[in-house]
Amino acid sequence: DAGITQSPRHKVTETGTPVTLRCHQTENHRYMYWYRQDPGHGLRLIHYSYGVKDTDKGEVSDGYSVSRSKTEDFLLTLESATSSQTSVYFCAISPERLAGVIYEQYFGPGTRLTVT
Amino acid sequence: QQPVQSPQAVILREGEDAVINCSSSKALYSVHWYRQKHGEAPVFLMILLKGGEQKGHEKISASFNEKKQQSSLYLTASQLSYSGTYFCGTLTGTYKYIFGTGTRLKVLA
Repeated sequence: DAGITQSPRHKVTETGTPVTLRCHQTENHRYMYWYRQDPGHGLRLIHYSYGVKDTDKGEVSDGYSVSRSKTEDFLLTLESATSSQTSVYFCAISPERLAGVIYEQYFGPGTRLTVT
Repeated sequence: QQPVQSPQAVILREGEDAVINCSSSKALYSVHWYRQKHGEAPVFLMILLKGGEQKGHEKISASFNEKKQQSSLYLTASQLSYSGTYFCGTLTGTYKYIFGTGTRLKVLA
């Protein structure tokens, strides 16, 4: 199994509070991703990183920011949590292959976030 | 644009076969398949490359037709352990990744 952990695994927070989720990898993979998963919506990309300090937005990035100051850590911050951000959040890592650009993803265990 | 999978859900008896399709409106250069069991994270199953190459994983195989922008996952002689939600995934840009809509598979004894 790929060495990838997420913390916390469960969190309950109140509307309006900031929340930071952490993804940590020991695989030294270049690419890291944050997804949210909601019933009926599958896996939706929030933000991704293609290197230290290199990040970009996914399809549902509003209300979220990320930072990556080290290869092994990718942080997801909810600036001011809302009830619509109640979800399961998955981090994924992806190795850099050769010029064929083949990026399968390996997932962390997920964080269940509830915003009340 | 999210790849569309079909069917959305399927119920099988042990030993039966199933096919799950993944169709994209954009060109596909490679397709990946994942399985997610209830309450767990998705797990990578296999990579499909251009050229219609088939890959296998136990009794699960897949094909990829880049002209039709489609991939199909074949589950042969299904087992109870095959139950879960299957996703296809692909790159939409240099680094940006997207998953299909998902197919829920349930295998009954």
